[in-house]
Amino acid sequence: ELKVEQNPLFLSMQEGKNYTIYCNYSTTSDRLYWYRQDPGKSLESLFVLLSNGAVKQEGRLMASLDTKARLSTLHITAAVHDLSATYFCAVDRNSGAGSYQLTFGKGTKLSVIP
Amino acid sequence: NAGVMQNPRHLVRRRGQEARLRCSPMKGHSHVYWYRQLPEEGLKFMVYLQKENIIDESGMPKERFSAEFPKEGPSILRIQQVVRGDSAAYFCASSPWQGANTEAFFGQGTRLTVV
Repeated sequence: ELKVEQNPLFLSMQEGKNYTIYCNYSTTSDRLYWYRQDPGKSLESLFVLLSNGAVKQEGRLMASLDTKARLSTLHITAAVHDLSATYFCAVDRNSGAGSYQLTFGKGTKLSVIP
Repeated sequence: NAGVMQNPRHLVRRRGQEARLRCSPMKGHSHVYWYRQLPEEGLKFMVYLQKENIIDESGMPKERFSAEFPKEGPSILRIQQVVRGDSAAYFCASSPWQGANTEAFFGQGTRLTVV
C-alpha cells in the first residue's frame, strides 16, 4: 500500500523567511503533484513532477523530486502572507500511466505571520 | 471553457437519507475521479470512471456507496442511508485521457453534512 508522509503538518513562519516542506512516499512512482488548498476551497495545482531530478519554480515556490530517495520538497522563499494555505503532495498510484488515482499526504498547514 | 462543475456545493441530509452528488467534467474530458476529504485530512481516492465504465473502485466503501458516469450527463456519486461518518467534502477531478503529460483538474467540491 502506497503511503505518503508530509512534514511538518503545521508550519508557522514569519514573512520574509525561507522554509521547506518534505514529502516522503513508500513505493516507486515517477509522478508527484503539489497542490494548494485554501479553507473551504478546491485544490489548485501547483506543480507536476514527472521524473527524477525534476525541479520546477513558480514565484516564491520551488518543488523538486528525487525518485531514488522517494522524496519531494517544496521550498518557500521569502514567505508572504498570501502563501498561507494548506499544501498537499500527492503520488500517482500507477506509476507511468498518469491515471490520477492519487494518494495524498495529510497536508501542511502553513501560516505566514506578518 | 468551464472547469469541473460539482453540485450541489453544500448538501445537508438526515441520517438514513440518500445523498446524490453530481460532477460534470471539463469539456472533452472522459475520465472522472472521486475523492473524499475528511476534516483536517488529505483527499482519499474513491473511484475512477470512464464513460459507462467503472475502472477502479478500490477506494469506495463496499456498502451504501455507488458511482456512475453515463454516456450522457454528469457523473453521480450516490450514498444511500447516510450516517454521520459520511460527513466530508467530496471532490471530483477529470482528465482528458490517461497519459504522462495530461493533468487532472479538480472541482469545487460538495460538502456533505449528515445531521
